[in-house]
Amino acid sequence: AQSVTQPDIHITVSEGASLELRCNYSYGATPYLFWYVQSPGQGLQLLLKYFSGDTLVQGIKGFEAEFKRSQSSFNLRKPSVHWSDAAEYFCAVGRSPSSGNTGKLIFGQGTTLQVKP
Amino acid sequence: DAMVIQNPRYQVTQFGKPVTLSCSQTLNHNVMYWYQQKSSQAPKLLFHYYDKDFNNEADTPDNFQSRRPNTSFCFLDIRSPGLGDAAMYLCATSSKGGYGYTFGSGTRLTVV
Repeated sequence: AQSVTQPDIHITVSEGASLELRCNYSYGATPYLFWYVQSPGQGLQLLLKYFSGDTLVQGIKGFEAEFKRSQSSFNLRKPSVHWSDAAEYFCAVGRSPSSGNTGKLIFGQGTTLQVKP
Repeated sequence: DAMVIQNPRYQVTQFGKPVTLSCSQTLNHNVMYWYQQKSSQAPKLLFHYYDKDFNNEADTPDNFQSRRPNTSFCFLDIRSPGLGDAAMYLCATSSKGGYGYTFGSGTRLTVV
């Protein structure tokens, strides 16, 4: 079955500290991988995505993520967290839509990031 | 800029009163999705259109329907909203063979 697991429901870090949010997936083929951020009451903003090639991808706001096929993981990292990074983070997997594939995104349950001053 | 636009951003409806949410896109993507996101939960796919073909998720309630009159527009109709239908509704688009998805800003639905 296709699924995404974000093991950490809630994470608190101090401003300026490093951050890693975990994401593990189960998928029949190598999926496209995404990280989205969502502030309260807002829509989803794409942080970064992986389709193929270099397994370390850079995104917006200083975020990066590394795809590890052997571990079925796509963890999100940031070397120094800012107070404005406090939000909900969703990992998602999917494939390009085609005649045999809906292309729907499967989301993890999300990780709430709290930043301490 | 090419984008996905959802209207309205906030919608308040009465219990049992039909409501329609709209989504438009300028990307010319052939696939459009509707997701429901309840408070503190992940987005959940309700249905999608692949061109004109409608695809319903197995667990989407009959109370939810959708229309896609043309490539650019897609509507979400809730025939008789209940309190449990209060949520953020997200529209997204993608293209066959494409890379990625474009989300609208969402419509937050309140049922009173």
